[in-house]
Parts: sequence; C-alpha cells; structure tokens
Amino acid sequence: QSALTQPASVSGSPGQSITISCTGTSSDVGGRYHYVSWYQQHPGKAPKLLIYDVTYRPSGVSNRFSGSKSGSTASLTISGLQSEDEADYYCSSYTASTTWVFGGGTQLTVL
Amino acid sequence: EVQLLESGGGLVQPGGSLRLSCAASAFTFSTYAMSWVRQAPGKGLEWVSSISAFGDNTYYADSVKGRFTISRDNSKNTLYLQMNSLRAEDTAVYYCAQDRSRGPTGYFDYWGQGTLVTVSS
Repeated sequence: QSALTQPASVSGSPGQSITISCTGTSSDVGGRYHYVSWYQQHPGKAPKLLIYDVTYRPSGVSNRFSGSKSGSTASLTISGLQSEDEADYYCSSYTASTTWVFGGGTQLTVL
Repeated sequence: EVQLLESGGGLVQPGGSLRLSCAASAFTFSTYAMSWVRQAPGKGLEWVSSISAFGDNTYYADSVKGRFTISRDNSKNTLYLQMNSLRAEDTAVYYCAQDRSRGPTGYFDYWGQGTLVTVSS
C-alpha cells in the first residue's frame, strides 16, 4: 500500500490555472475501478471532498475544480486561482487489495 | 447539519490500548459506511479502516491489520476504533469520516474534527 505520488508543492498566481498530478499503478489509479477522489485541507482543518469518481464534484464545490485521469495518473485542475485555494491537496484511490490509499499531498501556494 | 464527534484520544504508552469513539448526528447513520483516517503531525493523510453500513464488512490498512478493530453500533449512532499494541508510528490525529454510500467507496463527504492519539513512554 504505497502512497500515491504527488508533487510536494505547486504554485500559481491569482487567476491562473494549475494542475496537480497523482501517479499510481495498475493496482490502484490505473485499475478498472474509477474510485479516485481529491481532497482539500486547510491548516488545522478537516479535509474537504472536492472530486469523486475521477471527475464528479459534490454539490457546493466550485466548478473551478475539475478532475481527470489518463492511465495510472489522475489530475486535479484548479482554474481561476484564488487566494482561498491555498491549501494542501490529496488524491485518493481504491486499490485491488480492497483498501484505499492517499497521495502524499501537494501544498498549493497562491503567489 | 451532519456532525461527527470523535473522543477517546490521549497519551498512551507503546504496547498499550485505546478505544476511539465517533458520535454521529443529523443523518441516518445506519445507511452509510464509515471510516477512520489518520494524519501524523505535519504529515499527509492515511486511510486506516472502513466498515460497511450494516457492519458486515470491514477493511484495514496493512499497517494496522491485526492490531486495530473497527466496529459500529447503529442503535447508538456510534463508530468505534479499538487500537491495541500501539506503536510510536500510530501517533496521529484520527478522523472519523462518513462515506457517500452503504458500502465503502472512499469518498468522504463529512469529517469529524479529529482526536489526537500520542503513543509515547
């Protein structure tokens, strides 16, 4: 159950778009299941679900957040960056071992 | 509004035991799978364990299998995590999380505020 691979940090200016990658294997992200999700976590707060089933947004989540997947790599794109987007982001995937695994997390800085 | 309130955290010696509880309210507890997710100080999220809505299926991370037991009491709207043979590396904030479905999907719509478990002598 190795953690999924995410870049440690990304940055962007207000109004720009950024993409965070999440690389796994054929046993998780690249598997036949589409149980890939993304979470946002502000310091000292509980995580918030942003994306599920690779591309779906829960009710109330801004459409500036979008998800995609190609092979064993999932991606989260945030468009029109805002200062409040500065947070840690985590991907997660179901695995072939009937378990779940998170990525190591990516710290987003809005310049 | 959905509320998840964890309790039971604290300081415990290596090899010791602790039981966490998560009291749920404002939703039909018995129709959702539930999970525990932990976060070591300054580190990322780690999925720990999940249980189906009726409690008939349980799932564990390799790092806790055989030491931790997840359970639920639907009559009390409460989720539990019995933690035995605790190690220093189990030190973390433990979050209770509500899944989107009866069977675990790993999609957590609601989270508690977390309870800190510190394993140290």
